[in-house]
Amino acid sequence: KQEVTQIPAALSVPEGENLVLNCSFTDSAIYNLQWFRQDPGKGLTSLLLIQSSQREQTSGRLNASLDKSSGRSTLYIAASQPGDSATYLCAVGSSTPLVFGKGTRLSVIA
Amino acid sequence: NAGVTQTPKFQVLKTGQSMTLQCAQDMNHEYMSWYRQDPGMGLRLIHYSVGAGITDQGEVPNGYNVSRSTTEDFPLRLLSAAPSQTSVYFCASSRGLAFEQYFGPGTRLTVT
Repeated sequence: KQEVTQIPAALSVPEGENLVLNCSFTDSAIYNLQWFRQDPGKGLTSLLLIQSSQREQTSGRLNASLDKSSGRSTLYIAASQPGDSATYLCAVGSSTPLVFGKGTRLSVIA
Repeated sequence: NAGVTQTPKFQVLKTGQSMTLQCAQDMNHEYMSWYRQDPGMGLRLIHYSVGAGITDQGEVPNGYNVSRSTTEDFPLRLLSAAPSQTSVYFCASSRGLAFEQYFGPGTRLTVT
């Protein structure tokens, strides 16, 4: 059974700092990995999708990497801003629909 | 193109009542799924469908029923609501398991 773990559970950083969020998964037989953002009381916004054959994806200040063999992904956020404050969820797609981690709650302090 | 829509946005039920959460997508996606989100538990898969007429159970299927008669719609039925089903419910769709999943805005359900 696939299990997805996100570390840390919560993170507080000053504005402007570069930061890394971590995601690990137990079964490397995946199709893809997707990073989402969720604001309090809101739905999920898809940030990046990495296919199993890819090593990384970039969108603006966000860069996600995937090391399938070691079961790890990282989400790098450059020059963080208070508007980046949210919960970030990692989810792995394989032979069933997505399996989610519990998320990292990020606070960026102005 | 509305994407994935869910109704209602909010619902309060009494224990034992039944109801149907609606989910529709207009992207002609074959795959649709239902998740519930609880504090400290993340999102967990309830049921999913790989096409019209085909459904399967996820991690937490007990107390929920689904059917898929059309490509567009994937309703989730609560047969006899229990307080443990208080949660936020999200519906998602995609072209397939190897493709990006698109999520609806969610339904916040409270069972008293």
